[in-house]
Amino acid sequence: EDQVTQSPEALRLQEGESSSLNCSYTVSGLRGLFWYRQDPGKGPEFLFTLYSAGEEKEKERLKATLTKKESFLHITAPKPEDSATYLCAVRATTDSWGKFQFGAGTQVVVTP
Amino acid sequence: DAGVTQSPTHLIKTRGQQVTLRCSPKSGHDTVSWYQQALGQGPQFIFQYYEEEERQRGNFPDRFSGHQFPNYSSELNVNALLLGDSALYLCASSSTGNTEAFFGQGTRLTVV
Repeated sequence: EDQVTQSPEALRLQEGESSSLNCSYTVSGLRGLFWYRQDPGKGPEFLFTLYSAGEEKEKERLKATLTKKESFLHITAPKPEDSATYLCAVRATTDSWGKFQFGAGTQVVVTP
Repeated sequence: DAGVTQSPTHLIKTRGQQVTLRCSPKSGHDTVSWYQQALGQGPQFIFQYYEEEERQRGNFPDRFSGHQFPNYSSELNVNALLLGDSALYLCASSSTGNTEAFFGQGTRLTVV
């Protein structure tokens, strides 16, 4: 069965203190790995899609990377507005229709 | 482009009652998926609709049902509400052939 595990569960950073979030996945075949940002009480906001090992995507202070077993979301010099829960999800090649398997998320708090 | 819109934003129901949640997909999208997100957890796949048919279903009981209309909008119905149905219900829209999905802001359902 497909599984997604995110670590750590929570992360508290000082403004400007760079760090990385981990997403480990087990899937029969990877159709895509997705990162979303979710603010409290809101729906997830799409950030990145990664398709194959070695791929990297960047957006402002965020950079996502992918290996065959895990993905990392690097936050460089974070600001308080980067505080959110970051969700990782996978789609399997065995799934033709687009079902996402999500991890539980990493809650990030950035203090001034 | 209004993006994915859901209504209502908040709802309080009594145990045993029935509820209907609504979703309008992003312009140009033809597929709607529904997810349930309990507090502190990642979203769990309920089901997906395409061409007015349920195409795929997660591990949810038959109390959860849905519908898709010719304009691609969708409803999620939950019968015989339980306290454990309290959660954020998310609608995600996508288009055939694309891997990304975009989420609405969610409906917070509280069952008392």
